[in-house]
Formats: sequence, structure tokens, C-alpha cells
Amino acid sequence: SQTIHQWPATLVQPVGSPLSLECTVEGTSNPNLYWYRQAAGRGLQLLFYSVGIGQISSEVPQNLSASRPQDRQFILSSKKLLLSDSGFYLCAWSSTIETQYFGPGTRLLVL
Amino acid sequence: SQQGEEDPQALSIQEGENATMNCSYKTSINNLQWYRQNSGRGLVHLILIRSNEREKHSGRLRVTLDTSKKSSSLLITASRAADTASYFCATYSNYQLIWGAGTKLIIKP
Repeated sequence: SQTIHQWPATLVQPVGSPLSLECTVEGTSNPNLYWYRQAAGRGLQLLFYSVGIGQISSEVPQNLSASRPQDRQFILSSKKLLLSDSGFYLCAWSSTIETQYFGPGTRLLVL
Repeated sequence: SQQGEEDPQALSIQEGENATMNCSYKTSINNLQWYRQNSGRGLVHLILIRSNEREKHSGRLRVTLDTSKKSSSLLITASRAADTASYFCATYSNYQLIWGAGTKLIIKP
């Protein structure tokens, strides 16, 4: 069966510090991968998606970037965090172009 | 930008009652999906209804889709305390899922 991992679960970072969130998927190959951000009590905002290694599409211009160094690894990064980067970050995968399966999420607090 | 819009934003009912949530969208879709999110957790897929379907059932869940009105409803029958969660609709269009802001459902024991 397929599983998706995200870490860390919670992160508190100072403004201006770098960020690296990792997401890995097991049990499937060549998944579509997604990074979302969710503000408190709100819906999901698609940040990046990837259909293959090295292929990243950005949906929202911001100081975040994403990389896919391996087939089942998706990394969300920032060189300098802003206060507005605080939120709940969710990674998801899909094998078809339809249903998505989500990881447990990372709660990021930038102080 | 968000395409799906759920209403109500919040719903509080007694255990055993039925809960109905609605979702409206703006553009043509391939399918519409409903997901559940428990507090502080990832989302879990509940049900998918395709654009050529009008109604679909899964256990205590019933989803309807009216493409002429660009709207969908999710009915949870005989609600339980464990149904307390936020519920999101998502429309699939142009290879992406577009998400609504969600309905927060509270089931009172």
C-alpha cells in the first residue's frame, strides 16, 4: 500500500531563517506531487506541483521554492522566511489526475 | 484562486441528525470531490462524483451534483461524534484540484 510521509510535524523558525520541508511517498512510482499551504480555518492554496523528476510548476509567486530530486521525494524550501509564511503545509500525491492523498502536514510558525 | 465555495462555513448539529453541506463552483469540471480534514491533520478523500453523474452514495454519505447550477451537496446521515471535522469540496479542472474554504462540522453528543 502507498504511504506518504512529511516531516517535521511542527517547526518554529525565526524570520529570515531558511526552510526545508520534506515529503516522501512509498509504494508507488512516478506520482504527481503537490505542496499546499493552508491558513488557519481556510481552504488549501496550491503552491507547487510536479509530474516528474526535476519538473516543478509554481502556482503562486513567493519566496518559496520546490524541488524533486528523486521520483518520490518533494522538498519545499525557502532561503529567508517571512512572517506570512506561517501556516500548515500539506504534501499530497496522486497516481491519476484525480484523487489526491495527503500527508499529515507540517505546522510552521515563523516568529 | 478558490473556485469552490462551501456553505455553510460552520454547522453544529446533534448526534444522530443529518448534516448537509453545499458547494458551488464557477467553471466547467471533470469531476468534483469531497474531502474531510480532522483538526490539525491531512485531508482524507471521501467521494468523487463525475460530471456525468447526478448522485453517488458511499456508506452514510450521499453526494449530488447539479452541473446546470454548478453546485454539489454532501449529506451525512445519522451523524456521529467522529464526523466532527472540516469538509472541503474540490473541483477537478485543467489538471488541477481547486479547493473551497470548507465547512466546519461539529457534532454535539
